[in-house]
Amino acid sequence: AQSVSQHNHHVILSEAASLELGCNYSYGGTVNLFWYVQYPGQHLQLLLKYFSGDPLVKGIKGFEAEFIKSKFSFNLRKPSVQWSDTAEYFCAVNAENTGFQKLVFGTGTRLLVSP
Amino acid sequence: SQTIHQWPATLVQPVGSPLSLECTVEGTSNPNLYWYRQAAGRGLQLLFYSVGIGQISSEVPQNLSASRPQDRQFILSSKKLLLSDSGFYLCAWSQGTEQYFGPGTRLTVT
Repeated sequence: AQSVSQHNHHVILSEAASLELGCNYSYGGTVNLFWYVQYPGQHLQLLLKYFSGDPLVKGIKGFEAEFIKSKFSFNLRKPSVQWSDTAEYFCAVNAENTGFQKLVFGTGTRLLVSP
Repeated sequence: SQTIHQWPATLVQPVGSPLSLECTVEGTSNPNLYWYRQAAGRGLQLLFYSVGIGQISSEVPQNLSASRPQDRQFILSSKKLLLSDSGFYLCAWSQGTEQYFGPGTRLTVT
């Protein structure tokens, strides 16, 4: 069965610090990869996604993620975080051989950015 | 534009009581619908999905059931709640490659 690991459960950063959140998945076939974010009091929303092509994907609010197939990883990065980036971040994977979009999520990383 | 609603937002129920959580989607037709649960310290776990009216697939054996009586309505139910049913329940919809999530229901079983 597919699984997704997010090794950082809680991350605390100061504003302007760089961010990298790890995500590893266990599936040998073709995958679609996602990062979702949940800001306090808001719905879970899509931050960025990778289906194919350039393995460096740019999303909203200055976030980017790099798909490294050999490492089964899809790490999320941001060069300079802001207080408004405080949220919970979820990595998710969809195996392309499923007939519809069935997502497997990681356990999430809570990011706290101090002003 | 499409919107997704869930209610109630929070719910406290005693063990053994029934449960009904409702999810409705507006602004789209024939969406795929999903129920997820997030328990403390865990990721989102897919519980049920539906590709059409009356079509329900269960992902994990459990004390819960789902129904889709109308195209844009998805209901999560239980006849008798267990303590382990506590958690945050999210409904989502999709028509392509992206899923859109509702605000969720926080269920506490006491």
